[in-house]
Amino acid sequence: DTAVSQTPKYLVTQMGNDKSIKCEQNLGHDTMYWYKQDSKKFLKIMFSYNNKELIINETVPNRFSPKSPDKAHLNLHINSLELGDSAVYFCASSRQTGTSQYFGPGTRLTVT
Amino acid sequence: TQLLEQSPQFLSIQEGENLTVYCNSSSVFSSLQWYRQEPGEGPVLLVTVVTGGEVKKLKRLTFQFGDARKDSSLHITAAQPGDTGLYLCAGLFGNEKLTFGTGTRLTIIP
Repeated sequence: DTAVSQTPKYLVTQMGNDKSIKCEQNLGHDTMYWYKQDSKKFLKIMFSYNNKELIINETVPNRFSPKSPDKAHLNLHINSLELGDSAVYFCASSRQTGTSQYFGPGTRLTVT
Repeated sequence: TQLLEQSPQFLSIQEGENLTVYCNSSSVFSSLQWYRQEPGEGPVLLVTVVTGGEVKKLKRLTFQFGDARKDSSLHITAAQPGDTGLYLCAGLFGNEKLTFGTGTRLTIIP
C-alpha cells in the first residue's frame, strides 16, 4: 500500500489554465504539506495543514489554493497557470508538526 | 529566513571510495534530518538527529550533528552504486517548518 499518493504523476497544460493536484495519505498522520522543487532540485515548502487547518502559508501567489477536505487529503488548486509554475510538486505528511515527513512520488507540472 | 548550505553541490566518485557531505547554517536547529531522493521519486528520510554532538550510523552511512546544532555531516564508507542520489539535509527551526538544504548530487561510478 502506498503511504502518500499523488495524482496525476505528470501534468502538461497551457498558460492560463486552472489545474488541481490531489494528495492522499493512509498513515493516519495529522499534518500534511505541499512542497515545490525547482529545476535546481531546491525543495521549498508552500503550505502546511494540521488537522485540516492551515498552519504554514509561505509567500506563495494567491493563484495557489490548498484545500483539505479531511485529515487524509490535501489538494492543491492552481489558477491561471504561468510558465514559472513548471516544477515538481511534492505532497508530504507527518504524524504531527515537526516530526519525520513522508513524501509522495511528486507531480511534474509543465506549463507551455 | 534560515538558509542551509550543502557542500559539495555535486560529487562523483569511484565505487569503494569514502566521502563526506556537509550541511551548514548560521542558525541553530531544533533537529536535523537527512533525506535521499532518487530520480522520479520523493525524498526518503534516512535519519533524524536531535542532540548536539550526536552520531548515528545506518550501515555504511554515519551522520553527525554539530555540537552547536548549526551543522551536520554525512559520511559514506565504501560507496556503492546504490548510494547514487540527491542527498538533502533539512533543519527544523522552532518546531515548525522544515527548511531544506541546497542538496548534494552524488554519483557513484562502478
